[in-house]
Amino acid sequence: AQSVTQLDSQVPVFEEAPVELRCNYSSSVSVYLFWYVQYPNQGLQLLLKYLSGSTLVKGINGFEAEFNKSQTSFHLRKPSVHISDTAEYFCAVKRGGSQGNLIFGKGTKLSVKP
Amino acid sequence: GAGVSQSPSNKVTEKGKDVELRCDPISGHTALYWYRQSLGQGLEFLIYFQGNSAPDKSGLPSDRFSAERTGGSVSTLTIQRTQQEDSAVYLCASSLAVIGGADTQYFGPGTRLTVL
Repeated sequence: AQSVTQLDSQVPVFEEAPVELRCNYSSSVSVYLFWYVQYPNQGLQLLLKYLSGSTLVKGINGFEAEFNKSQTSFHLRKPSVHISDTAEYFCAVKRGGSQGNLIFGKGTKLSVKP
Repeated sequence: GAGVSQSPSNKVTEKGKDVELRCDPISGHTALYWYRQSLGQGLEFLIYFQGNSAPDKSGLPSDRFSAERTGGSVSTLTIQRTQQEDSAVYLCASSLAVIGGADTQYFGPGTRLTVL
């Protein structure tokens, strides 16, 4: 079975500073990895996903994530955040090569302060 | 194009009553998922429909929960004899299933259920 751990429940950061949101997963098989963002009172929106190939994945809104198989991590980064990036971010895993549901981490609330 | 829609957006009910939550997936999407988001449990998978296959019900928390998908499109999640612990945001997602499972799930805005 797969599981996802998001190490930080809340991350406060100042505007224009860099940010890293950490995600570790546990799986004995190959996986697909995803980052979703949830703005207040909205559904989840896909930021980026890793399926295979290059370990550095670029997504929307200037975010990127790096898949590290040896450390079973998929950390999300942005070099300079904006106030509008304030939201909750969810890391998710899915068994590679098969259909089925996502398994989510508990989420990280990113709060960008002016 | 239109995204995933859910109705109602908010539902307040009394303990013991039955509720129905509706999901309209993106047109043409063959896969449909229900998740529950609550403060204590985060995002939990409930049930998954794929085409004409039998649904994966492995995430349903009790036999008070059921779901159906009519005509391969609209889905209804039914909770019978609601309890206060059922209070949560219920999210629906759909995807265009592809070989290898590399599909992207698109989420609706959710239905916020409050059980008094």
